[in-house]
Amino acid sequence: DIQMTQSPSSLSASVGDRVTITCRASHNIINYLNWYQQKPGKAPILLIYAASTLQGGVPSRFSGIGSGTEFTLTISSLQPEDFATYYCQQSYSSPRTFGQGTKLEMK
Amino acid sequence: EMQLVEFGGGLVQPGGSLRLSCAASGFSFSSYWMSWVRQAPGKGLEWVANIKQDGSEKNYVDSVKGRFTISRDNAKNSLYLEMNSLRAEDAAVYYCAREPNDFWTGTRFDYWGQGTLTAVSS
Repeated sequence: DIQMTQSPSSLSASVGDRVTITCRASHNIINYLNWYQQKPGKAPILLIYAASTLQGGVPSRFSGIGSGTEFTLTISSLQPEDFATYYCQQSYSSPRTFGQGTKLEMK
Repeated sequence: EMQLVEFGGGLVQPGGSLRLSCAASGFSFSSYWMSWVRQAPGKGLEWVANIKQDGSEKNYVDSVKGRFTISRDNAKNSLYLEMNSLRAEDAAVYYCAREPNDFWTGTRFDYWGQGTLTAVSS
């Protein structure tokens, strides 16, 4: 199975900050990497797929980049509604696997 | 409006069984792979199983192989997860999710239901 490791596990930031979350895969997954946002008690929401393609309706302050084994999610200017937990997920092989999550908290 | 609604969760004893259902509407259900993803209380996301459009291919995470069965009824726009020999570690919110599949962009879970809670306890 491909292991996905996110860093950091938690992050404190302020509205307006630029934030970057990293996801590393244990094997080359080319660009088959997705990012999700989850708020407490809610289902996850797809933000980015294929490493860098923004899902429809997702604000352009979210961006993703990477290939192979290292990927990043960037939020260019944090908004109050962005405080949540973020997960990466590989779709290169089965079983689909997720990172452990990065909890983004308000400073 | 696209919608996925799960139901069937509840409290079950260890070793017991439960059948989850997911009703789909607002899209062509038979055109998509579908998945179940679970989340134990306070934990991260774990993919459980998926099924091809016509039900001819099914995949499972190792921890549920032989105990869980995913199925679908395209005539009823419904996805199912039959869970047997339930263990304490199977306790979670179970989400159904649509899984579009494209060679160039891979797969992703683009729409999710609200989830249904399964508790396993004596």
